[in-house]
Amino acid sequence: QTVVTQEPSFSVSPGGTVTLTCGLRYGSVSGSHFPNWFQQTPGQAPRTIIYSTHIRSSGVPDRFSGSILGKKAALTITGAQAEDESDYYCVLYVGSGIWVFGGGTKLTVL
Amino acid sequence: QVHLQESGPGLVKPSQTLSLTCAVSGGSTSTGNYHWTWIRQAAGKGLQWMGRIHTSGSADYNPSLKSRLTIWLDTSRHRFSLSLSSVTAADTAMYFCTRQTLHDGIDWEFDPWGQGALVTVSS
Repeated sequence: QTVVTQEPSFSVSPGGTVTLTCGLRYGSVSGSHFPNWFQQTPGQAPRTIIYSTHIRSSGVPDRFSGSILGKKAALTITGAQAEDESDYYCVLYVGSGIWVFGGGTKLTVL
Repeated sequence: QVHLQESGPGLVKPSQTLSLTCAVSGGSTSTGNYHWTWIRQAAGKGLQWMGRIHTSGSADYNPSLKSRLTIWLDTSRHRFSLSLSSVTAADTAMYFCTRQTLHDGIDWEFDPWGQGALVTVSS
């Protein structure tokens, strides 16, 4: 069973930079996993931030960027704002039509 | 602009079958290169990819749900549906539908999303 790992929580100061990661318990994440990143606030549906590693969805501010850092997919927020305080989830394509979500990261901006 | 809306009974008894529908407005489930997808989230927990069905009718399922889950298209009514059998309290969750769109022949984007439908499994 594939396990996708994310930091449970992270904090960043307003205006600061934070990098959230998305890894595999066994193995390395690459572009062929087509990492997607989602932002979710309480009571709301998820919103897609990044797809295919680094492509921003329509309307997403350019302070959000995606990449592969080492063995993991990464979501970087440069110049964090108060409204970025949310839960962030990644999902990876693991083959045979199957996608697996990470457990999510609760980001606090303070 | 495509809009998705989930619907279904909010309460299901244990051991029964949970059925949900996702209505697609502004688009069709029978054309284009899309995967129509179900994702769920138990209260206070993370997202779980349940499965998807392609416009062609080919479906993929989460291995942990495969024995209980069916997803199908109702192309004449512009919607797709799921059926989850033998439910337990562990299936209590918010259920979201979404569409995976193919960009440039290789990049899949989950967009748009429905607002979600809460299903409670309880006697």
